[in-house]
Amino acid sequence: DSGVTQTPKHLITATGQRVTLRCSPRSGDLSVYWYQQSLDQGLQFLIQYYNGEERAKGNILERFSAQQFPDLHSELNLSSLELGDSALYFCASSPQRTGGLWGYTFGSGTRLTVV
Amino acid sequence: GENVEQHPSTLSVQEGDSAVIKCTYSDSASNYFPWYKQELGKRPQLIIDIRSNVGEKKDQRIAVTLNKTAKHFSLHITETQPEDSAVYFCAAGDTGGFKTIFGAGTRLFVKA
Repeated sequence: DSGVTQTPKHLITATGQRVTLRCSPRSGDLSVYWYQQSLDQGLQFLIQYYNGEERAKGNILERFSAQQFPDLHSELNLSSLELGDSALYFCASSPQRTGGLWGYTFGSGTRLTVV
Repeated sequence: GENVEQHPSTLSVQEGDSAVIKCTYSDSASNYFPWYKQELGKRPQLIIDIRSNVGEKKDQRIAVTLNKTAKHFSLHITETQPEDSAVYFCAAGDTGGFKTIFGAGTRLFVKA
């Protein structure tokens, strides 16, 4: 157990639907990152939150949105789903200490299948 | 936009041989370079990292080197074992830790 919890582990839904993926960061970590990994592909950065605020945005579609709540858990909302959105979605957290950068701890991912 | 290129995309070595994976980055502000190992169906895990004030770092059979002038960094695995077989991702980030960019990954096969 990495300490980063993602739910659900698997999700199957139909095109056009909306889903919410949830992530609880490791205790004490203030930053949450969302990544998309399509089949046999690399890790595509979607978005980062730090202590409740959006800090960086990557190649995130307008149909996707995210937020980080006061208890630091984060949700990634995917709407108007398309077949191409099928992928493994990872959440990662990091301590984000001043003056340095620490490696990410990844959750186990949510496998989304759009049918 | 900023980019991290990783080579090779696939690497096959005989058990006991060495494996080298190379990455280049474009953002000169990057000063933190982690490496992640992802086994099939599992989450990426940090295996080693290096910061820009260090040219080389070693941890048992793995080592990383960094050439900031050329914007190159590499992962070296010596005495490879079958359990080293996985996808390896390099990444480059800035001092604030924001928006770490990952390479596309290298699929390493270690043949017994």
